[in-house]
Amino acid sequence: GAVVSQHPSWVICKSGTSVKIECRSLDFQATTMFWYRQFPKQSLMLMATSNEGSKATYEQGVEKDKFLINHASLTLSTLTVTSAHPEDSSFYICSARDVGSRTEAFFGQGTRLTVV
Amino acid sequence: LAKTTQPISMDSYEGQEVNITCSHNNIATNDYITWYQQFPSQGPRFIIQGYKTKVTNEVASLFIPADRKSSTLSLPRVSLSDTAVYYCLVASVMIYNQGGKLIFGQGTELSVKP
Repeated sequence: GAVVSQHPSWVICKSGTSVKIECRSLDFQATTMFWYRQFPKQSLMLMATSNEGSKATYEQGVEKDKFLINHASLTLSTLTVTSAHPEDSSFYICSARDVGSRTEAFFGQGTRLTVV
Repeated sequence: LAKTTQPISMDSYEGQEVNITCSHNNIATNDYITWYQQFPSQGPRFIIQGYKTKVTNEVASLFIPADRKSSTLSLPRVSLSDTAVYYCLVASVMIYNQGGKLIFGQGTELSVKP
């Protein structure tokens, strides 16, 4: 199946700094990518939908100025957590859909963010 | 999006067949049913998808009754490595065609014991 790669797999940062997470579709083009956040023992929570060449659409309650999303190409979307705080510590997962696939979404391996 | 209801957790033993049922009473005509598997600290992995009746692949089978208000994921002869969280999702084919979003429910935590 198609591969979606996230980088880094884990990151530790100091409170107040910003962290960028990359999501790449390696062997297909993805016009739309999705960013999820997952806290321990909980399900995935959709944060935003990232559309290539346009502004991201954020879910209710997600601060767009804090979680900056850029989808500059058909294979790359980035999520920047600005001025991170300990409560932003979580598992962030991206997902992408192959424009040629009708039925399957592919997920990255996730990024574990720890803010200290 | 149709809401789904699954058992929060299930226990099984190695070599047994495991059936996880998902209820989706409000499923619409254009909705597909998809199951994902997630291991700790990993992204979800596609298992199987179906619209009606039965679908089988090398990993699992998916049983969907005629009214489509529920579905059952069947894992034959589970092993310890099948311990994971399993998510049932229901979404319109239009969501896939138009890049629509997938909303996850709470999932079923399957624990396979030796």
